[in-house]
Amino acid sequence: EVQLVESGGGLVQPGGSLGLSCAASGITFSGSAMTWVRQAPGKGLEWVSSITGSGDTTYYTDSVKGRFTISRDNSKNTLYLEMNSLRAEDTAVYFCAKDSSTALALWGQGTLVTVSS
Amino acid sequence: DIQMTQSPSTLSASVGDRVTITCRASQSISSWLAWYQQKPGKAPKLLIYKASTLESGVPSRFSGSGSGTEFALTISSLQPDDFATYYCQQYNLYPYTFGQGTKLEIK
Repeated sequence: EVQLVESGGGLVQPGGSLGLSCAASGITFSGSAMTWVRQAPGKGLEWVSSITGSGDTTYYTDSVKGRFTISRDNSKNTLYLEMNSLRAEDTAVYFCAKDSSTALALWGQGTLVTVSS
Repeated sequence: DIQMTQSPSTLSASVGDRVTITCRASQSISSWLAWYQQKPGKAPKLLIYKASTLESGVPSRFSGSGSGTEFALTISSLQPDDFATYYCQQYNLYPYTFGQGTKLEIK
């Protein structure tokens, strides 16, 4: 089955850290660029970060640069997002998505990250 | 960064209506424009990519048009399942950017 499954969300205090994972199945993972998109409660979609299929190039939105790190393990068909120095404004559902010339055609179900004391 | 401006923010319509949502880019993005549908508590669903190509499995009542900076999503005859929020997204350059969304409501 073609799917992406995120995990790792939860409640974390401001200034804390959290790691998200996105397990891929049914796709040629190593050949696929991957993207994280987030959605704050009641708000719109915000692109967070992307990584090329080989993992050698990464991109970040300005608000997470220096705090978040995107990475991948192609041997495990898994995408990661390591989040440090978390802020209340990072509270959101985080989605992973397969990125290609056909845009973001495959999405995971999302995982909720709540930053609160 | 490329700004994407969607209009309207909210649209009230009835089953059977023809509706159009527009999206304007702050600079040319050629045809690297996608449209998504999102329902509450669900992940976005790709409807249209490359401005006008219908994603597999998406009903033909959905269509996309435009290039450069002006784009549109048209639903030819609204069905009950179409009431949702719609987003445009440019994927011409990083950082990718989304429009603010259009909530399509039942009149």
